[in-house]
Amino acid sequence: GQNIDQPTEMTATEGAIVQINCTYQTSGFNGLFWYQQHAGEAPTFLSYNVLDGLEEKGRFSSFLSRSKGYSYLLLKELQMKDSASYLCAVRAPDSNYQLIWGAGTKLIIKP
Amino acid sequence: GAVVSQHPSWVICKSGTSVKIECRSLDFQATTMFWYRQFPKQSLMLMATSNEGSKATYEQGVEKDKFLINHASLTLSTLTVTSAHPEDSSFYICSASDYVSSGGSYPNEQFFGPGTRLTVL
Repeated sequence: GQNIDQPTEMTATEGAIVQINCTYQTSGFNGLFWYQQHAGEAPTFLSYNVLDGLEEKGRFSSFLSRSKGYSYLLLKELQMKDSASYLCAVRAPDSNYQLIWGAGTKLIIKP
Repeated sequence: GAVVSQHPSWVICKSGTSVKIECRSLDFQATTMFWYRQFPKQSLMLMATSNEGSKATYEQGVEKDKFLINHASLTLSTLTVTSAHPEDSSFYICSASDYVSSGGSYPNEQFFGPGTRLTVL
């Protein structure tokens, strides 16, 4: 079957660093996406990994290990506006562009 | 990035009526559009995948006769919730994908509409 696991909720302090993990077991792999979703809004794209390693984009970085079925999203210099849900999604081959979604991690930032 | 719009942004209707939600790709041609439903504090649930000019592919457990999807052009897909009931109240989100013309940075990146909040009384 297809399964993507993320922690349900995390709490961090403004200005700190937080790492959100995602593990997946899917029948094939063709890329992993991270999206940010604020309450009541649609998801917005953050990052995409298809090869092993770290992709850095400003305060956000995403890491992938295909052999371990593992990814993480690293958020640095946390700001209050980073309080949101973070969704991990995997695209399997020949999936008609479909994404398999994790349940999301709700990140709470405290002053 | 590419822009996807949805209309209406929110709708309240009586039980038993039908509601149509439009999803438009404003500056690119979307060969594939996806319809999701999201209940409070839950993740996205894919309802169906829609390819222009062909019948939608529904996920298991989604009634195709209740959730009618039409993808008549490369920029427009519609979702009609027929005979809506209170349990259909949810946040409905569409996304569109096309690597070639959307200007996306990554293959088959999905661009999401702002969502439609449906409340059935």
